Amino acid sequence: DAGVIQSPRHEVTEMGQEVTLRCKPISGHNSLFWYRQTMMRGLELLIYFNNNVPIDDSGMPEDRFSAKMPNASFSTLKIQPSEPRDSAVYFCASRGRNGAYNEQFFGPGTRLTVL
Amino acid sequence: QQQVKQSPQSLIVQKGGISIINCAYENTAFDYFPWYQQFPGKGPALLIAIRPDVSEKKEGRFTISFNKSAKQFSLHIMDSQPGDSATYFCAASYNFNKFYFGSGTKLNVKP
Repeated sequence: DAGVIQSPRHEVTEMGQEVTLRCKPISGHNSLFWYRQTMMRGLELLIYFNNNVPIDDSGMPEDRFSAKMPNASFSTLKIQPSEPRDSAVYFCASRGRNGAYNEQFFGPGTRLTVL
Repeated sequence: QQQVKQSPQSLIVQKGGISIINCAYENTAFDYFPWYQQFPGKGPALLIAIRPDVSEKKEGRFTISFNKSAKQFSLHIMDSQPGDSATYFCAASYNFNKFYFGSGTKLNVKP
């Protein structure tokens, strides 16, 4: 099993540019989570989907952030326009149905740097 | 308001010693308390978890102690090894959906 796949692994962009982060969850998993990790704020949930439907996006910091899940095997997190304070590591995680621990499996993350 | 408070921020332990990390939560509706381990450049991975109907759970060298009345839980790593050096996060959730994470503890086990 390949695990959760995220791309790109590293992204460096300039302020004002559009950034798109991609995630492929584990096959068969029905929940997908986007997190942001920074030194100052730790690990924060941005949004999560159940069965491709956004359930809670209260963690999305601003309208500049948007997330989609067009199908069960793909999700995107878009930042437009990007700002230096968006620099962070963004994680995607997926979870299967009725697991013993309802464990979330995290991807390797995308390190975003906005100059 | 921070839902889950974690301490200490960093911890240095000698090989063979006991590492203890503490967390406190506010929301009594939380019903699932996992601990995650994160190595540099990797995503967090579930280490061990507990439900509030038990006071302790042990898996190998890792033990969660849970105090429902005090709204506190802790991770104990017995016989700490250099390979345990990582950042540890506690978390809490209800209905297994929205997870609130602690700020993390960076553990360094000295050989």
